[in-house]
Amino acid sequence: AQSVTQPDIHITVSEGASLELRCNYSYGATPYLFWYVQSPGQGLQLLLKYFSGDTLVQGIKGFEAEFKRSQSSFNLRKPSVHWSDAAEYFCAVGAKGGQAGTALIFGKGTTLSVSS
Amino acid sequence: GAVVSQHPSRVICKSGTSVKIECRSLDFQATTMFWYRQFPKQSLMLMATSNEGSKATYEQGVEKDKFLINHASLTLSTLTVTSAHPEDSSFYICSALGGGATDTQYFGPGTRLTVL
Repeated sequence: AQSVTQPDIHITVSEGASLELRCNYSYGATPYLFWYVQSPGQGLQLLLKYFSGDTLVQGIKGFEAEFKRSQSSFNLRKPSVHWSDAAEYFCAVGAKGGQAGTALIFGKGTTLSVSS
Repeated sequence: GAVVSQHPSRVICKSGTSVKIECRSLDFQATTMFWYRQFPKQSLMLMATSNEGSKATYEQGVEKDKFLINHASLTLSTLTVTSAHPEDSSFYICSALGGGATDTQYFGPGTRLTVL
């Protein structure tokens, strides 16, 4: 079955500390992988995506993620967290073209809190 | 680029009434749009896939007669919640496929529906 697992429901990180949010997926075809961020009461903003090529992808706001096929993982990282990074983070997997039945499958999300 | 808007951002209605939510791709054409539903502290659940000029494809368990979707143009899809009931209260988010990278979904800011 196709699924996305984000093992950590809630993470608290000190401002300035490094961050890693975990994401594991189960997908039959070659996955297209995404990380989105959602602030309270807002829609989703795309942080980064992986389609092919270099397995380390850079995104906006200083985020990066590494695709590891052998581990079926696509973990999100940031070297130094800012208070404004506090939000809900979603990992998602999809297929090419987003065709019906193969639209994005989301993980349950990880809530990031940033302490001062 | 790749901006998706939703209107209204928030709506409160009485039980039994119908509510229409609009999703627009502002600076690109989207042949495919998706409608998601998000419960508090939960992930996004795909409701339906909307293709311009054709009938929407609904996910299992989603009542197509209750959640009417119309994708009349390449920049507009609408979701109408008919005869709304309190259990329909939720956060509805649309996304549009395209904007130069056809395998990326761009999300609207969401609509908070409260049915009294």
